[in-house]
Amino acid sequence: AQKVTQAQTEISVVEKEDVTLDCVYETRDTTYYLFWYKQPPSGELVFLIRRNSFDEQNEISGRYSWNFQKSTSSFNFTITASQVVDSAVYFCALSEVSRGATNKLIFGTGTLLAVQP
Amino acid sequence: KAGVTQTPRYLIKTRGQQVTLSCSPISGHRSVSWYQQTPGQGLQFLFEYFSETQRNKGNFPGRFSGRQFSNSRSEMNVSTLELGDSALYLCASSLAVEAVNEKLFFGSGTQLSVL
Repeated sequence: AQKVTQAQTEISVVEKEDVTLDCVYETRDTTYYLFWYKQPPSGELVFLIRRNSFDEQNEISGRYSWNFQKSTSSFNFTITASQVVDSAVYFCALSEVSRGATNKLIFGTGTLLAVQP
Repeated sequence: KAGVTQTPRYLIKTRGQQVTLSCSPISGHRSVSWYQQTPGQGLQFLFEYFSETQRNKGNFPGRFSGRQFSNSRSEMNVSTLELGDSALYLCASSLAVEAVNEKLFFGSGTQLSVL
């Protein structure tokens, strides 16, 4: 069965601290996609990254970086030098190719990140 | 370019009523998906439409239905509302150039309260 687990319900850090959000997934597919989305208080989810199962290279985008490890079925997200504007709920999500033509996402329960000034 | 637009932003209904929510995708986007977000169940996939055809459906009762028009705008309908239908309903669109597993652009949602 497909599943995404974000064990950290809430994280609170002080500005400029580094923070890592954990994501563990389960799937029987060999081809799948992993995503991170950010949900600020306004409600809309904002796309951060998409990674396919064949690309295990880590990625860095500004203060954001992602560590994908198939061996542990994890896709963790690190924010370096956090800022108050990073405060939001962050969702990890899985999309399976074997399900056919679809954009269906299976979301984790989200991690609420609070960055204190 | 305008983002995904959902109307109305807030809605209050009573049990037994029905409701229709509207979603206008980003211009040129052909795929529209709907998600329900609740504190207890989190984000759950409702259905997805592509070129006016439903191509995937989540595990929701038949009271939840949707459709997509030729201009890619989509509506979802919930009949015989129950208290448990209170949720934030999010619409997302994508270009559908690759057809699958694309990044989604979300609207701000419709907050439905059932009394």
